[in-house]
Amino acid sequence: DQQVKQNSPSLSVQEGRISILNCDYTNSMFDYFLWYKKYPAEGPTFLISISSIKDKNEDGRFTVFLNKSAKHLSLHIVPSQPGDSAVYFCAASAPSNSGYALNFGKGTSLLVTP
Amino acid sequence: DGGITQSPKYLFRKEGQNVTLSCEQNLNHDAMYWYRQDPGQGLRLIYYSQIVNDFQKGDIAEGYSVSREKKESFPLTVTSAQKNPTAFYLCASSISVAHPTQYFGPGTRLLVL
Repeated sequence: DQQVKQNSPSLSVQEGRISILNCDYTNSMFDYFLWYKKYPAEGPTFLISISSIKDKNEDGRFTVFLNKSAKHLSLHIVPSQPGDSAVYFCAASAPSNSGYALNFGKGTSLLVTP
Repeated sequence: DGGITQSPKYLFRKEGQNVTLSCEQNLNHDAMYWYRQDPGQGLRLIYYSQIVNDFQKGDIAEGYSVSREKKESFPLTVTSAQKNPTAFYLCASSISVAHPTQYFGPGTRLLVL
């Protein structure tokens, strides 16, 4: 049962433009959300996160927006660069008796063209 | 230079063989995790450990075993009971299980001969 969904398997954007990657979740108990970037045959790299008490978090070219009522978050990359081409994973977590566990989406492959 | 190391980068398993994947971290993190990634799929949790000498099953623990004898090390054994072991295996750590942000190693690709 996929609790975190990234419905766009791929996205192509021109260099300098904005990239918008979307993520939806079903579990209302999720209270922390993360974005990871992954190159082929490498481990994911943590990009940015947001707590459910906020609706926006910004770090340089990366901004994450959270809409709790819609159970939706998005990652904006402005301006997009060719080096941003990678697979982006959305992850969500909820506290439990065993602590946090991350639930991952299936990823969106971003291609930034010159 | 702190981080998470995984070895080997590639591993080949013969039918009926157990193999062990190594994961070491020098971040002084209490919690460690093992995930599996299949093509076109997200990461799925195999096992995690909150602290030394403690570990818990994740969503897909069948056919796998772990140990946590040292804070820095969390090896994963893929046993012969795991019928579909070919995948990319990722180890991660976090300050503690109360801290959601996890940091990943470079991964090990396991292939079955």
